[in-house]
Parts: sequence; structure tokens; C-alpha cells
Amino acid sequence: GAGVSQSPRYKVAKRGQDVALRCDPISGHVSLFWYQQALGQGPEFLTYFQNEAQLDKSGLPSDRFFAERPEGSVSTLKIQRTQQEDSAVYLCASSLESTRRKETQYFGPGTRLLVL
Amino acid sequence: AQSVSQHNHHVILSEAASLELGCNYSYGGTVNLFWYVQYPGQHLQLLLKYFSGDPLVKGIKGFEAEFIKSKFSFNLRKPSVQWSDTAEYFCAVTSGYSSASKIIFGSGTRLSIRP
Repeated sequence: GAGVSQSPRYKVAKRGQDVALRCDPISGHVSLFWYQQALGQGPEFLTYFQNEAQLDKSGLPSDRFFAERPEGSVSTLKIQRTQQEDSAVYLCASSLESTRRKETQYFGPGTRLLVL
Repeated sequence: AQSVSQHNHHVILSEAASLELGCNYSYGGTVNLFWYVQYPGQHLQLLLKYFSGDPLVKGIKGFEAEFIKSKFSFNLRKPSVQWSDTAEYFCAVTSGYSSASKIIFGSGTRLSIRP
């Protein structure tokens, strides 16, 4: 079946510009996660949704970062007034939510953001 | 706070050599352990996972990992590597019983295989 998809795959922004990154999770997946992967590093958690509810946003680095999932499926990560340190790959992952067993997170291809 | 350490930043091997990538985590409670792989130009894929039970876990493509609780380790092994195993490997951990836990990743180990 279709996996997690993300768009755009690449984004070049001028410093100060706002950007919006989109994630389409696997159909039926309740949980959705955003991660940031800097060059040469492992992914770092940004935020987590269960359906449309944002249950954890402890990883968002500043108030310039905002995420939403208004209908419990597609999610958008928005970065306002981008800065050079925002340059990274932004990964989205989704998983089923189950109280009966632990589920695996499935990752999308990521959006590579370059801020000039 | 939880953390994951991967001690080898870059490993270079010849084809048919045996592989062991080290991973240690710090967390005292119930943990779930993972190895993810990222082939060049591709997205993160799950190699194998440990939730409970047999501490020796077998994954795809001939990889296996052993959970040693007393050492807080989850090392990845493969008896004979192939050129196609060239990739970035990430050890990762989640805590507790919920499947909705954020993943804590190590910094990754780049594996290069000489043909």
C-alpha cells in the first residue's frame, strides 16, 4: 500500500521567508510525528499528534515553528521567518494507535529545507 | 533524559566481512529498541525491533541484534556484509508501553562497503 508521503521534497527559502511542509500519513494511521534531521545527525523529535490533537510539542525549537492536523489526517509543519539554522531534513512518521500491541512508526522521504 | 549512543561514526568494511555496530542507551525503565537504515537517497526503513521476549532479534536482509539489559546495549550484527549494505544505520529507543512514543535516535553510523 501507499506509504507516508511528504511535499515538497526540496525547498529553498530566503532567510525571513515563511515555509509550509506537508505530510500525508498512511491511511488509517492515528499517530503522526514530525522530526528534524540536521546534516550528519540522527532525527530529533519535534511534535506528535493523535488524530487532530497535538499531544506533545516539546521538541519544537521556537515559537516560529507551528504544526497542525485539523482533520486528523494530513499535517502541515509551518516555519515562520526562517533562519539558516532551520536548514535540515524534516521527516514525518505515522503509526497505528493500539492499546493491544506496540506499533511501528513508518517514515516518509522527508523534505530537505535549505535556508539561504 | 533518554539518550542513545552510537560509538562508531563511520565504519568501512570489505564485502563478506562480519559487521557489528555498537549501540548503548540510557534509560532505566521499560524500553523498546530499534535499528533503522537509510540507504542513499531513500527514506528511513525499519531493520528490526525489540519490544519484549527473546533478546536476540532477527530482522530483514540477514541483520540481527541482541538486547543485553545489563549492559544497556542493542548491538547490530551481520555475519557477511554486501556492497548493497552501504547505508546510514540508526539505533533508536522509545520508552514505556505506549506505541505513541517519540523515538530517540542515535547520531548514526555510516557504513561503507568496499566491493
